[in-house]
Amino acid sequence: EPEVTQTPSHQVTQMGQEVILRCVPISNHLYFYWYRQILGQKVEFLVSFYNNEISEKSEIFDDQFSVERPDGSNFTLKIRSTKLEDSAMYFCASSAGLSDDTQYFGPGTRLTVL
Amino acid sequence: AQSVAQPEDQVNVAEGNPLTVKCTYSVSGNPYLFWYVQYPNRGLQFLLKYITGDNLVKGSYGFEAEFNKSQTSFHLKKPSALVSDSALYFCAVRDRNYGQNFVFGPGTRLSVLP
Repeated sequence: EPEVTQTPSHQVTQMGQEVILRCVPISNHLYFYWYRQILGQKVEFLVSFYNNEISEKSEIFDDQFSVERPDGSNFTLKIRSTKLEDSAMYFCASSAGLSDDTQYFGPGTRLTVL
Repeated sequence: AQSVAQPEDQVNVAEGNPLTVKCTYSVSGNPYLFWYVQYPNRGLQFLLKYITGDNLVKGSYGFEAEFNKSQTSFHLKKPSALVSDSALYFCAVRDRNYGQNFVFGPGTRLSVLP
């Protein structure tokens, strides 16, 4: 069964450094998403991406964040200058399209900012 | 604005007994409703969804949920719990008139005791 994959599983970085989190969505899906889950808190929407552009973003997704689909398979989340409060589990998800909008999630990347 | 409540942080049930995990929602339009399960150190796994039609939806692993529009609820149920059902369960809603992103509830930890 196809699944969303994410790398790395755990990323440790120093405050102020840039990080790139990588995702490979399910191959025939058209919509891509990033969510985050701070430890012990709820899953929060960050951004959705369709047709090579951002379709929605939340207040969390400020200028420090960017997303990109650099090729036909990868979908990346970049945090330009990490802050301590960016420490969280980051989930990538994809969905086939508006007619089937079930979002399938990857296993997550745990980001630890020191 | 969309919101999801899961009134119980923790649900304990004996193996073989029926289980219910509660979810209520608030959206301005018509909802799409989802249940996901999260096992330790894993991503979110899709269980079931309500889009339209029959209010009782059946999903993976013997789970089902009933959409109740008047009570704005979408409780998750299973007739006979297994120890392996122990996990964190998230209810999510999408307002079909508002966009693609999900709003998640805070999660309910289900413990099935042998």
